[in-house]
Amino acid sequence: DMKVTQMPRYLIKRMGENVLLECGQDMSHETMYWYRQDPGLGLQLIYISYDVDSNSEGDIPKGYRVSRKKREHFSLILDSAKTNQTSVYFCASSLRGTLYFGEGSRLIVV
Amino acid sequence: GQQVQQSPASLVLQEGENAELQCNFSSTATQLQWFYQSPGGSLVSLLSNPSGTKHTGRLTSTTVTKERRSSLHISSSQTTDSGTYLCAIVYNAGAKLTFGGGTRLTVRP
Repeated sequence: DMKVTQMPRYLIKRMGENVLLECGQDMSHETMYWYRQDPGLGLQLIYISYDVDSNSEGDIPKGYRVSRKKREHFSLILDSAKTNQTSVYFCASSLRGTLYFGEGSRLIVV
Repeated sequence: GQQVQQSPASLVLQEGENAELQCNFSSTATQLQWFYQSPGGSLVSLLSNPSGTKHTGRLTSTTVTKERRSSLHISSSQTTDSGTYLCAIVYNAGAKLTFGGGTRLTVRP
């Protein structure tokens, strides 16, 4: 089975703390994504990665950075989290245009 | 920017009724996918249909590229079909999917 795994699934952080969201896939897909989903705004693309160390900004990259050192892993980093970064974050990988999503990581910044 | 509009925003059906969901987009799409998001939040790809008609199980998608619209027809709806249906488009030759706001479907027993 094709699987995308996100860790952690739930996280509460204080404003100003650093946040690391991790995503792994066992399918050797080249392309991976980070989205966030908020009520009324739908899914918004934060970053896209085309392969190791080949990352591109999405529509809302401000306040985020990413790291992809191995094809199987794609990390989303928030340096100094803000309350407006409270959201559900989804990682996905794609093969021939079909996306496979992780279960999501719910982040609350207080 | 490029937009994806879905309608209706919400839909309530009795079990057994059919559902018709619409997706309109602002530019020529090279890819179009329909996704299902469960009430628990998990997302799964239903089908990819950049043009023409595709069937899978009780789902039929018809995309008219020139008119920049796609529909998803769910026949004989079941309570387990309840959730949110999302349309996503890739414009040009890139890999970035732009999502619509979704249609929330509720199927009552």
